[in-house]
Amino acid sequence: KQEVTQIPAALSVPEGENLVLNCSFTDSAIYNLQWFRQDPGKGLTSLLLIQSSQREQTSGRLNASLDKSSGRSTLYIAASQPGDSATYLCAGTGNQLIWGAGTKLIIKP
Amino acid sequence: GAVVSQHPSWVICKSGTSVKIECRSLDFQATTMFWYRQFPKQSLMLMATSNEGSKATYEQGVEKDKFLINHASLTLSTLTVTSAHPEDSSFYICSARGGRELETQYFGPGTRLLVL
Repeated sequence: KQEVTQIPAALSVPEGENLVLNCSFTDSAIYNLQWFRQDPGKGLTSLLLIQSSQREQTSGRLNASLDKSSGRSTLYIAASQPGDSATYLCAGTGNQLIWGAGTKLIIKP
Repeated sequence: GAVVSQHPSWVICKSGTSVKIECRSLDFQATTMFWYRQFPKQSLMLMATSNEGSKATYEQGVEKDKFLINHASLTLSTLTVTSAHPEDSSFYICSARGGRELETQYFGPGTRLLVL
């Protein structure tokens, strides 16, 4: 069974800290991996898309890495801000999207 | 946990035909369902939001007469791509909001549409 697991399920850190969110997947057929942000009551916001041939992508304070051999992806958030508080989802794309359950992140001012 | 299914997972059709995609919330009542589209190597894009029993709200640039959305019950929403053309080939994903955590969206596995 194809699975995507996100650890931790919830995380609360003080403002300004750097943090890492983890995503692991069991299906080696996943050919790219995406990170999304979900704010309450709103749709998804795509953050980073890592193609199978890539190892990482960066956008501003965000950096996502992909290691297919170990079945892992990480999302690194630098200098966290209260506005980063949201649920972060990773999804692997094979024939279909396989979603992780998300990590609920709270940044305390 | 909350599960959202989509059917079919794959569909290949000829240009000019209409295709219906179903989105179901399997173990909760979805008061709101969302439809997204993702082209290859691009981000997920919200197409429309539908509340049970009312007309869908479409995002700017999405043709409501081409992408018909019906949210007839609290567990089922359908997206019909009418008179499909090759440029409609995409990955269509639905999500549903409801259940115990009212603000959380649960995503379906997606439907890959290829129009020949």
